[in-house]
Amino acid sequence: GQNIDQPTEMTATEGAIVQINCTYQTSGFNGLFWYQQHAGEAPTFLSYNVLDGLEEKGRFSSFLSRSKGYSYLLLKELQMKESASYHCAVSDSNYQLIWGAGTKLIIKP
Amino acid sequence: DTEVTQTPKHLVMGMTNKKSLKCEQHMGHRAMYWYKQKAKKPPELMFVYSYEKLSINESVPSRFSPECPNSSLLNLHLHALQPEDSALYLCASSQHLDSYNEQFFGPGTRLTVL
Repeated sequence: GQNIDQPTEMTATEGAIVQINCTYQTSGFNGLFWYQQHAGEAPTFLSYNVLDGLEEKGRFSSFLSRSKGYSYLLLKELQMKESASYHCAVSDSNYQLIWGAGTKLIIKP
Repeated sequence: DTEVTQTPKHLVMGMTNKKSLKCEQHMGHRAMYWYKQKAKKPPELMFVYSYEKLSINESVPSRFSPECPNSSLLNLHLHALQPEDSALYLCASSQHLDSYNEQFFGPGTRLTVL
């Protein structure tokens, strides 16, 4: 079967660093996406990894290890507006996105 | 234009009504998607169109009927829905189906079935 696991909820402090982990088992792999979704709004694209290693985009970084079926999203210098759900999603052998349930990130002052 | 638009934003309908959701993009994307999302759950894929042809139907009940009139438009026709169909319906598009496919999402239609 296909399975993506990520923590249900995390809490962090404004200005700090948080790492959201994701493990996956899917039929085929054509890349891993991270999306941010504020409550009641549409998901917005954050990052894409298809090769092992770290992709950095300003304060956000995403890491992938295909052999371990593992990824993380690293957010630095957290801002209050980044309180949201963060979804890990894997593109499978049919290029369809298999979504994780999402990690609700709560940022406190 | 890097936007996917959806209308209406909110829709309330009875179980005997017929209504349609509309989605539009002008990014030249050739893959378009319908997702259903319940509260605190991830988006759930319903349909995928590739080059205006239905590519994937994820065992969606026939009371949901998709239509792709042209490469920019995607509709979802609704008929005889049930209260459990109440959800946020998201439309998305990507350049193609068979490659790196960052999906751009519309703002969604919040559907309530009474």
